[in-house]
Formats: sequence, C-alpha cells, structure tokens
Amino acid sequence: KAGVTQTPRYLIKTRGQQVTLSCSPISGHRSVSWYQQTPGQGLQFLFEYFSETQRNKGNFPGRFSGRQFSNSRSEMNVSTLELGDSALYLCASSLGDGNTEAFFGQGTRLTVV
Amino acid sequence: AQSVSQHNHHVILSEAASLELGCNYSYGGTVNLFWYVQYPGQHLQLLLKYFSGDPLVKGIKGFEAEFIKSKFSFNLRKPSVQWSDTAEYFCAVNTGTYKYIFGTGTRLKVLA
Repeated sequence: KAGVTQTPRYLIKTRGQQVTLSCSPISGHRSVSWYQQTPGQGLQFLFEYFSETQRNKGNFPGRFSGRQFSNSRSEMNVSTLELGDSALYLCASSLGDGNTEAFFGQGTRLTVV
Repeated sequence: AQSVSQHNHHVILSEAASLELGCNYSYGGTVNLFWYVQYPGQHLQLLLKYFSGDPLVKGIKGFEAEFIKSKFSFNLRKPSVQWSDTAEYFCAVNTGTYKYIFGTGTRLKVLA
C-alpha cells in the first residue's frame, strides 16, 4: 500500500511570494493533517481536514491556509512568505476517527530567501 | 493549553547502554499516546502507541513505553541501544480533537 506522498520535496522561494504544497494520503484515509517542523520547536500543528472540512486549526497566522479535495488529497498554501516560514512541512494521514495513528510523508523542505 | 514535554533534548549513549526518554503531557482527560522516530533523512515512523489496556506497551525494534496516568507520563525505554537507534524521537498525544500534539523531540546519538 502506497504511503503518504508529498510534493515537491524541496522548494526555494523569496520573501513575499506564495507557495502551495501538496499531499496525497494513504488510500482509504480521509483525514489529512499538516505540521511545521523546525529545529528546537518540534512539530507544530497547522490544521486538519476530514472529508473536505477543516476540523481543527493551530495557532498560525491567516497566511497559512489549506484545503482538501473530494479524493482526500490536500494542499497547503502560504502567502506573503517570510524568512521564518523556512521549515519542513509534514503531512500526515489517518482514518480520522481520533483513535488510530497518523502516518507521515517525507515532507516538503521550504527555504525562504 | 494541552502540551507535551520531553525533558531530554540531546542524549548520547554508547552501544548496549539502556535508554529512557521522558515524556509528560498536560491534559486531564482521556488521551492516546504515541512515540514516533525520525531516522536521518527519513520520514516519521510510529514506534509504539497506547490507547487503553495494559499500560506497558511494546513497539518495534525492542522499544517499550509505560503509561503512568497519575504522573501524566509516557516514558520510552530500551534495555540495550544499538548504533542504528541514532535518530530523533518524538512523543505525541491525541486528545480526541483530531490533532496530535508533539513534544519538541529528543536527539539520540549512539556511539559505536
């Protein structure tokens, strides 16, 4: 069974630009969550989608947004990029019932210059 | 606010030494608990999980963890580490709100 796929793996953007990251969950998983991973901060929760609806949101500014499509694929968008947005962005998929583990993709490494 | 604390940020051990990584969480209700591992250059993988039942859970690669409800702890242990255990370890909690709260991670380096 294929794992969680994130594209692209690496991105370099300049300040002020916007970026869209993509995540394809494991087949049958309807929940997709996004996390920002930075050294010393661990994984910070961005948001979670289930059946195209955002069920939970972390404490990130409105520049960070996401959506989920009917096939459960999800995209995350960051507008007006700042240097501090440089991080590894991880996507995780699960069945979405709150009682099963999340499976992670390899992440998208975003560098803002 | 719910949070997860991992007390050891960096741990260095020699092969065959015993390992214990601390994890404490702050939440008074029912929780699901996890330990994930991230090997260099690889994605996060589940080591073990606790949902209910026996508080001593066994995971992959000889790891185990004990849930102590009264201490809000879920410490990870391994009796004898190997060089291949060099990785970053994350404790995580799911409180049923459809999000996982992670600790800041512990970087383990095992010397051959």
